[in-house]
Amino acid sequence: VLTQTPLSSPVTLGQPASISCRSDRSLVHIDGNTYLSWLHQRPGQPPRLLISKISTRFSGVPDRFSGSGTGTDFTLNISRVEAEDVGVYYCTQATFFPLTFGGGTKVEIK
Amino acid sequence: QAHLLQSGTEVKKPGASVQVSCKASGYPFIDHYIRWVRQAPGQGPEWMAWISPRTGDTRSAPKFQGRVTLTRDTSSSMVYMDLSRLTSDDTAVYYCARQSEDTAMDVWGQGTTVIVTS
Repeated sequence: VLTQTPLSSPVTLGQPASISCRSDRSLVHIDGNTYLSWLHQRPGQPPRLLISKISTRFSGVPDRFSGSGTGTDFTLNISRVEAEDVGVYYCTQATFFPLTFGGGTKVEIK
Repeated sequence: QAHLLQSGTEVKKPGASVQVSCKASGYPFIDHYIRWVRQAPGQGPEWMAWISPRTGDTRSAPKFQGRVTLTRDTSSSMVYMDLSRLTSDDTAVYYCARQSEDTAMDVWGQGTTVIVTS
């Protein structure tokens, strides 16, 4: 089970935002990798990949997005929120079968 | 660049089956698993199943075992998702997504809305 906090995050433009994702068990695979990724979904659009394997930014993702964490606790940070960053953020794990998603965190502008 | 194009909206009656297609382009089709994810209205995503375009091997989440069938056509770079015995709980947007080398879902289709209504 992946538990995300907060459920909702009102942020001021230009200010940082942080989202937590906690797993009920370690997400370290037997191959040594941790298959924890972050997705962003704007209303009416499919999710898009931001970060894979805890901290690897996907191609084209701005460097204001960063991921960190180990084992069971992971964090997505946005250094300076921009208007296009609104939407719902999901963590997802592929270490264990079946692949699961966190409950989502809605980021909105104050 | 890599792209996934899905079929259009479907409206089905309870008990019926639905097929959603997903056409891959812009990359070697057989090199990446395709995952299917659905999202009910106002809910988070839910993973359903994956298929290996290279071998045709599939695996589905326990919740969907016996109801979901994935197939592929390598000649046309198409993947098909069939879901049977539909109920109103299957009303959702269905997405296909490419699995990257590090297991993340890096390319997504635009989504297919399936509405189950009597």
